[in-house]
Amino acid sequence: EAGVAQSPRYKIIEKRQSVAFWCNPISGHATLYWYQQILGQGPKLLIQFQNNGVVDDSQLPKDRFSAERLKGVDSTLKIQPAKLEDSAVYLCASSLFLLNDGYTFGSGTRLTVV
Amino acid sequence: GENVEQHPSTLSVQEGDSAVIKCTYSDSASNYFPWYKQELGKGPQLIIDIRSNVGEKKDQRIAVTLNKTAKHFSLHITETQPEDSAVYFCAPIYDKVIFGPGTSLSVIP
Repeated sequence: EAGVAQSPRYKIIEKRQSVAFWCNPISGHATLYWYQQILGQGPKLLIQFQNNGVVDDSQLPKDRFSAERLKGVDSTLKIQPAKLEDSAVYLCASSLFLLNDGYTFGSGTRLTVV
Repeated sequence: GENVEQHPSTLSVQEGDSAVIKCTYSDSASNYFPWYKQELGKGPQLIIDIRSNVGEKKDQRIAVTLNKTAKHFSLHITETQPEDSAVYFCAPIYDKVIFGPGTSLSVIP
């Protein structure tokens, strides 16, 4: 089966600019996750979707981050305006079931804010 | 909230030796215990998992053991090879997933 697709692979922006990341999960996977991984740390959950509904966005900095999953398939994560501390790898993952199931991750988007 | 720790944080072994990484968690209701491997420039990849009604699971050179009473589970890699070099994360689940801080494994040829 095809994996989780993410684009772009790399992005460099100046602080206060905006950026968007795109994710296409594995076909049939109802649950989609966005994670932020800062260098040297484990992934941190930003938002979790079940189909096109939000299950958990408690750790999403809503003043600058937003995410949507229209039609329950592709998803977009946006940052506006970006801060230096947003420099990280943004990982998208999907799973067949909500919890109690392994995730399939994409390769991520490495964001550098200068 | 849930606290997840991994030990050691770094591990260096000779090729052919065994490696063991331990994950401790605080939420006693956790019921799914996966291990992920992350190579440089890639996303984490699920390598093995175990559910709360099983004590041990093995898949070729890797195995996972679970001690629910003590709230820890461990990843065992036997006959290590250079391609096992990566960062390994545990991510126990109850109502949400929290990834451990990671263990960097280096296998020296």
